[in-house]
Amino acid sequence: DAEITQSPRHKITETGRQVTLACHQTWNHNNMFWYRQDLGHGLRLIHYSYGVQDTNKGEVSDGYSVSRSNTEDLPLTLESAASSQTSVYFCASSPGQGNTEAFFGQGTRLTVV
Amino acid sequence: AQTVTQSQPEMSVQEAETVTLSCTYDTSENNYYLFWYKQPPSRQMILVIRQEAYKQQNATENRFSVNFQKAAKSFSLKISDSQLGDTAMYFCAFMMGPGANSKLTFGKGITLSVRP
Repeated sequence: DAEITQSPRHKITETGRQVTLACHQTWNHNNMFWYRQDLGHGLRLIHYSYGVQDTNKGEVSDGYSVSRSNTEDLPLTLESAASSQTSVYFCASSPGQGNTEAFFGQGTRLTVV
Repeated sequence: AQTVTQSQPEMSVQEAETVTLSCTYDTSENNYYLFWYKQPPSRQMILVIRQEAYKQQNATENRFSVNFQKAAKSFSLKISDSQLGDTAMYFCAFMMGPGANSKLTFGKGITLSVRP
């Protein structure tokens, strides 16, 4: 079955380190998104991509970057992790082209100490 | 920019009763989609129900139904015959259309507890 997976599920890192969270989908969806979830804020969009080589900034993009070299993957990189980036991160994908349903990964809980 | 407001942080309901979760939104767009997502303790995001703004008829999925008031920009979720498995956080979300080639804007969420 097609799916979307995130790795790792949990990570603890130190302030100032570079961290990359992986997202891989086998739906062959063009659209991929990264959100962060924080109590009192719901889910907020970090970056998104509508296809290979396409990336766009979302609402809370500072300190994060993404790259889209193929359809299946959209890794999220924290350039220099900060305590304010402690959060749960969700990757999602959607077919677009009139199909509105988004499919979410299981989430990655990142703790920056 | 679009905004989604869920003003109730928590609600509680007795098993088998009916509960309504509120959501309001703000947009200048005429074509858009609205969603309710459920997030149980497993953290998985599950689509509960979807409403197209151009449809006047309220969407229904089994025990879940919405009251969509386009002029008032209100989109509430009614859960009938509440079950213990409905205990979760619920998010209201907005997507611009047409084409649906867009990102979701979420409300802050509401924690629903179903009491046995």
